[in-house]
Amino acid sequence: AQSVTQPDIHITVSEGASLELRCNYSYGATPYLFWYVQSPGQGLQLLLKYFSGDTLVQGIKGFEAEFKRSQSSFNLRKPSVHWSDAAEYFCAVGAWAGNNRKLIWGLGTSLAVNP
Amino acid sequence: DAGVTQSPTHLIKTRGQQVTLRCSPISGHKSVSWYQQVLGQGPQFIFQYYEKEERGRGNFPDRFSARQFPNYSSELNVNALLLGDSALYLCASSLLGRGTTDTQYFGPGTRLTVL
Repeated sequence: AQSVTQPDIHITVSEGASLELRCNYSYGATPYLFWYVQSPGQGLQLLLKYFSGDTLVQGIKGFEAEFKRSQSSFNLRKPSVHWSDAAEYFCAVGAWAGNNRKLIWGLGTSLAVNP
Repeated sequence: DAGVTQSPTHLIKTRGQQVTLRCSPISGHKSVSWYQQVLGQGPQFIFQYYEKEERGRGNFPDRFSARQFPNYSSELNVNALLLGDSALYLCASSLLGRGTTDTQYFGPGTRLTVL
């Protein structure tokens, strides 16, 4: 069955520190992978996506992610975190399930940024 | 261009009532998907519509229904509300409705509270 695991429920980093949010997926075919960010009470904003090609993907707000097929991972990184990055981060895989076309989501990682 | 819009922003209902949530996709987008996000969890797929036809359905009871109009806007209806239906309901639009290869853009959501 398709699934997405975000092992870290909550992460706290200091402003200016580097960040890595982990995402592991389970999917039989070539996955389509996404990272979204959600600020409190808000909808989801797309940070970046991977469909094919270069396994290092650049996104908005200085984020990047690397697809590693051998590890079934799609970890999100940022070299220097800003206080405004505090939010909930979701990894998702685009999947077929019978006739269903949908996004399957992880439970999210809550990021807190210390000044 | 305007993004995905949803109305109302907030809604309070009592058990047993019915509710209708509305979504307008990004101009030019022909596909709309609905997700339910319970507090502290990732979104759960409810429906996808493309060109007014249902393209996918998640694991939700028949109390949940939806439709898409000729202008590609969409409504989500929930009958016989239960306390467990309290959640943030997210609408996402995409250009071509090809499911997994199509990037979804989310609206701000409708916060439904069932008392």
